[in-house]
Amino acid sequence: DTGVSQDPRHKITKRGQNVTFRCDPISEHNRLYWYRQTLGQGPEFLTYFQNEAQLEKSRLLSDRFSAERPKGSFSTLEIQRTEQGDSAMYLCASSLALDTQYFGPGTRLTVL
Amino acid sequence: GQQLNQSPQSMFIQEGEDVSMNCTSSSIFNTWLWYKQDPGEGPVLLIALYKAGELTSNGRLTAQFGITRKDSFLNISASIPSDVGIYFCAGGGGNQFYFGTGTSLTVIP
Repeated sequence: DTGVSQDPRHKITKRGQNVTFRCDPISEHNRLYWYRQTLGQGPEFLTYFQNEAQLEKSRLLSDRFSAERPKGSFSTLEIQRTEQGDSAMYLCASSLALDTQYFGPGTRLTVL
Repeated sequence: GQQLNQSPQSMFIQEGEDVSMNCTSSSIFNTWLWYKQDPGEGPVLLIALYKAGELTSNGRLTAQFGITRKDSFLNISASIPSDVGIYFCAGGGGNQFYFGTGTSLTVIP
């Protein structure tokens, strides 16, 4: 399978714990995006990488959130001191240019 | 973040019927994308549109990029049970896409 992959698919954690998600984009894609999706809503943009450079961050990305793409390939999204409001689906997408985006299956986070 | 207005919010139709949904924005976009999302999965790209007025088909699906560049339309002809899901539009500009609120489609066999 050469699509976007995300790991884990599901994560249940207790409030206050740190969590980290991984995204592996389609291999030749230099652009990588993170989105958050809550029930009944469309995906909301969090951040964008072109190669290893993080070029844009949404105001939704509080100080507790950090994303990296160290070698311009896979990316990680870390949430520190999780809160119940962080419960959502975290989606990763990749593309070659700003003409489309291909999504991974998402990581469903539940904060108890 | 900005969310586009998508309508209708939900549709219940008989198998074989045609479906129309649309997406509007206060902003102009250079690209419109349409996605389908099944429960617990990521959105799957259906159609991409790049020019105002463009009409593009993908099997039974047809989408149009509005002339004003502030709207887009998706039509599904002769619906089948596997069309069930949530359909999202996305308008692209700058370094990101803005998504609609989704149209939930139920097809009754």
